[in-house]
Amino acid sequence: DAGVIQSPRHEVTEMGQEVTLRCKPISGHDYLFWYRQTMMRGLELLIYFNNNVPIDDSGMPEDRFSAKMPNASFSTLKIQPSEPRDSAVYFCASSLTGGEESEQFFGPGTRLTVL
Amino acid sequence: AQSVAQPEDQVNVAEGNPLTVKCTYSVSGNPYLFWYVQYPNRGLQFLLKYITGDNLVKGSYGFEAEFNKSQTSFHLKKPSALVSDSALYFCAVSPQAGGYNKLIFGAGTRLAVHP
Repeated sequence: DAGVIQSPRHEVTEMGQEVTLRCKPISGHDYLFWYRQTMMRGLELLIYFNNNVPIDDSGMPEDRFSAKMPNASFSTLKIQPSEPRDSAVYFCASSLTGGEESEQFFGPGTRLTVL
Repeated sequence: AQSVAQPEDQVNVAEGNPLTVKCTYSVSGNPYLFWYVQYPNRGLQFLLKYITGDNLVKGSYGFEAEFNKSQTSFHLKKPSALVSDSALYFCAVSPQAGGYNKLIFGAGTRLAVHP
């Protein structure tokens, strides 16, 4: 398996533009997570899906952020409009089960820079 | 509040010497505990986890971790460090009452192994 795939790997955009980050989880994994990593706040869980349904989006910072999972093999995280403070590395992760003991498998991340 | 503390921003060790990366947690109940490693420009990789049973857990690349319930600690160890072990290490907990594998991450500890 190729692991969790994210695209693009790097994104540079200007403030106010729409940004869409993409993720393909490991085949057969029913749980998908979006994280944000910054120096100031570390790793933060933004949202997670179970069987394509958003379960917990309490970590989504504000209405400018939205996430979808139209099918089991694809998810997007959209920021509209983007702001400089959104600059971070965004990770997607998936896990086979949702049990508390389950390890998550992370993608390589998308480094977002908003100018 | 549930939290994970990694008291050292950086740990320096000479190649061949033993290493310890510290982690303490504050979670109600009996959590599941994880260690992940992040190499430059890569996503997090699972190293090992503690679920129950033996307090000494063995994981990938020769790493092990010792669970100490009374001290609420889960320190990562390796008997003989390699230069290739240099990376960012994250401790994480998944509260058993979380309902799913919601990971709470520490801030990370950078391990630098010198030749």
